[in-house]
Amino acid sequence: DQQVKQNSPSLSVQEGRISILNCDYTNSMFDYFLWYKKYPAEGPTFLISISSIKDKNEDGRFTVFLNKSAKHLSLHIVPSQPGDSAVYFCAASVINQGGKLIFGQGTELSVKP
Amino acid sequence: GAGVSQSPSNKVTEKGKDVELRCDPISGHTALYWYRQSLGQGLEFLIYFQGNSAPDKSGLPSDRFSAERTGGSVSTLTIQRTQQEDSAVYLCASSSQMVFVEQYFGPGTRLTVT
Repeated sequence: DQQVKQNSPSLSVQEGRISILNCDYTNSMFDYFLWYKKYPAEGPTFLISISSIKDKNEDGRFTVFLNKSAKHLSLHIVPSQPGDSAVYFCAASVINQGGKLIFGQGTELSVKP
Repeated sequence: GAGVSQSPSNKVTEKGKDVELRCDPISGHTALYWYRQSLGQGLEFLIYFQGNSAPDKSGLPSDRFSAERTGGSVSTLTIQRTQQEDSAVYLCASSSQMVFVEQYFGPGTRLTVT
């Protein structure tokens, strides 16, 4: 039972253009969502998060959008840079259940110069 | 300051042996989490500590897996009688009481069971 799904295993984008990574979830109890970035042989690095009471959160080049009715969130990176090339994981949590994160399978982003 | 550290970084063991994986969280972080990532998969939750107690052990795949945390700091994940399906990267994360969902991960321990 995959509660958090990232249906695109990979994405290739030109440097300077927008990268859009998508994530769907099934559990309506989730009330906090996060994006992590992972380089090979390293642990995931926290990128940006959003509470279910918001529909958008922005931090520099990164913006996360949440559509609760569609149970969908997306991460926009503008402009994309070659250093953004990594695997991006979407994660979801139910706040009052201790912070356990449920992760998607990841999307590998490649930003080409 | 120092981040989350894990040891060993790599462990190769024979099927049937026991292994211990160690996690040193960020100083002052009260919550500690263990996850694992099998080949080509996302991260899978194993267990969560708040202080030295484990309110949620729901992700431990079998009774061969156990974990403890002492002094509100270091945690050890023990796998007894390892099986080939235990091969994965085991990741530890910690977080502060203020924003516990924003977890900081260590580099992981790559476990290979031969």
